[in-house]
Amino acid sequence: AQKITQTQPGMFVQEKEAVTLDCTYDTSDQSYGLFWYKQPSSGEMIFLIYQGSYDEQNATEGRYSLNFQKARKSANLVISASQLGDSAMYFCAMRGVNAGGTSYGKLTFGQGTILTVHP
Amino acid sequence: ETGVTQTPRHLVMGMTNKKSLKCEQHLGHNAMYWYKQSAKKPLELMFVYNFKEQTENNSVPSRFSPECPNSSHLFLHLHTLQPEDSALYLCASSQDHRGYNYGYTFGSGTRLTVV
Repeated sequence: AQKITQTQPGMFVQEKEAVTLDCTYDTSDQSYGLFWYKQPSSGEMIFLIYQGSYDEQNATEGRYSLNFQKARKSANLVISASQLGDSAMYFCAMRGVNAGGTSYGKLTFGQGTILTVHP
Repeated sequence: ETGVTQTPRHLVMGMTNKKSLKCEQHLGHNAMYWYKQSAKKPLELMFVYNFKEQTENNSVPSRFSPECPNSSHLFLHLHTLQPEDSALYLCASSQDHRGYNYGYTFGSGTRLTVV
């Protein structure tokens, strides 16, 4: 079984500052992928960034970076230079392949963190 | 344009009504999913289809009936719903449901209110 934990129900940040959204995970899979999605109030889930469990370098996508610490089973999202448009719900998710080589075929999501950017 | 289109965006229906949600993806993906997102609850996976065959049904009540006529289209037929079924229903697609390194592309969702 897989489990994603996001311990911050809400976070506040000042415009132009950096913010870190926490994500820890639990899995027995040998190989897995970690994802972050953004959900504005409109409802759409927007893919932000991906990190593979065997990737040695932390993933980066523009202002988004993923602080991956495999031993601690954490995959925190860092947003640099926050903008007002970053205000949204953020979800951490993962999917993996078990030792038998079959895939669960589904993303497991955390509870989400609501980020509010203040001007 | 996200590549996954859901209609309608908003739906209000009575408990005795029958309605359908539609999802269409233009990405050439072969797996499609229905999720339910209720207020203050985590995302709940409802159904998984791969190559238009249902591969997962997470104990969803029979008042929700999915249909996948081809890899590009997915429907969720609704009948005799309850007020607690009010939620945002999200459709997603992916290239290969067996590959862990493939993320999902989501639609904008249908916000359903049952009165």
